[in-house]
Amino acid sequence: EDQVTQSPEALRLQEGESSSLNCSYTVSGLRGLFWYRQDPGKGPEFLFTLYSAGEEKEKERLKATLTKKESFLHITAPKPEDSATYLCAVQAGWDSGNTPLVFGKGTRLSVIA
Amino acid sequence: DAGVTQSPTHLIKTRGQQVTLRCSPKSGHDTVSWYQQALGQGPQFIFQYYEEEERQRGNFPDRFSGHQFPNYSSELNVNALLLGDSALYLCASSWDGNTEAFFGQGTRLTVV
Repeated sequence: EDQVTQSPEALRLQEGESSSLNCSYTVSGLRGLFWYRQDPGKGPEFLFTLYSAGEEKEKERLKATLTKKESFLHITAPKPEDSATYLCAVQAGWDSGNTPLVFGKGTRLSVIA
Repeated sequence: DAGVTQSPTHLIKTRGQQVTLRCSPKSGHDTVSWYQQALGQGPQFIFQYYEEEERQRGNFPDRFSGHQFPNYSSELNVNALLLGDSALYLCASSWDGNTEAFFGQGTRLTVV
């Protein structure tokens, strides 16, 4: 069974204090790994897709990396507006369009000014 | 470009009632997936619609059903509501299920 585990469950940072969020996964044939940001009561907002080990993507203060067993979301010099829940999801298998996203429970990030 | 839109945004229903939630996909997308997100949990896959047919289904009872229309919009129906059905219901659209999924803002369903 495909599984995604995110850690830590919650993270509290001072503004400017860089850190990393972890996403460990087990999947039968990774098609893609996705990071989303979710604000309270809102739908997830797409951030990144990673397809193969060694791939990295960046957007502003965020950088996502991927290995064969886990992904990291690095946050450099975070600001209070980065406070949100960050969700990791995997899409498994190679059947065209037949594989739903499997999500972790998320990491709740709080950045304190 | 309008993104994924869902209606209504909030809904309160009584146990045993039926509810219909609606979703319009992002322009250019033809695949709609529905997810249920309980408080403090990640979204759980309910089912996916493509070409007006249910293509895949998650581990949800038959009380959960759906429909996709020719314009790719979709509905989620839940019959015989239980208190445990209270959650944020999310619609996501993509192109043929193979591209990044974009989510709507969700419908918050409360069953009392």
